Amino acid sequence: AQSVTQLDSQVPVFEEAPVELRCNYSSSVSVYLFWYVQYPNQGLQLLLKYLSGSTLVKGINGFEAEFNKSQTSFHLRKPSVHISDTAEYFCAARGGATNKLIFGTGTLLAVQP
Amino acid sequence: DTGVSQDPRHKITKRGQNVTFRCDPISEHNRLYWYRQTLGQGPEFLTYFQNEAQLEKSRLLSDRFSAERPKGSFSTLEIQRTEQGDSAMYLCASSPGQGRGYTFGSGTRLTVV
Repeated sequence: AQSVTQLDSQVPVFEEAPVELRCNYSSSVSVYLFWYVQYPNQGLQLLLKYLSGSTLVKGINGFEAEFNKSQTSFHLRKPSVHISDTAEYFCAARGGATNKLIFGTGTLLAVQP
Repeated sequence: DTGVSQDPRHKITKRGQNVTFRCDPISEHNRLYWYRQTLGQGPEFLTYFQNEAQLEKSRLLSDRFSAERPKGSFSTLEIQRTEQGDSAMYLCASSPGQGRGYTFGSGTRLTVV
């Protein structure tokens, strides 16, 4: 069965520092990958997605992610974070013939001044 | 169209009561999904519609849960005889087609007391 692993439950970082949020997936078939952000008491907002093509994907708010098939990873990065980036970040995958997204357990990005 | 709308935003109910939630997807999206999110977890897939047809249901969806999308537009999710374990955020999402981005609503937070 397909699964998504986000090893870090919380990542503290100072403002203007770079950050990487890790995501690994398991799938025996081709996979579509997504990163979502969730602010408190709100739904999920799509940051970026990988469907095919270039393995480096750029998203909104200065985020980017790189698809690495050999390492089955899709890590999210931002070169300089802001206080407003404090939120929960979810990695998700959809593979094969299924239409459902499988989510990781999320990573809380806590940006400190 | 401003996105996916969910109603109500919050619902508090007594154990044993029935509740119904509504989701209005983006009008041109033919696919609609329901997810459940408990505290500290990523969203879990419940069910999926393509137009009015319910094509996939999770084993999480017990016989107390029923979802409909009668005209292929809005959808309702009903929970009968609610239990405290049903307390969660219920998220609705829609998409225009396979592999495309999923747009989530702000969710309905259910509290069963």
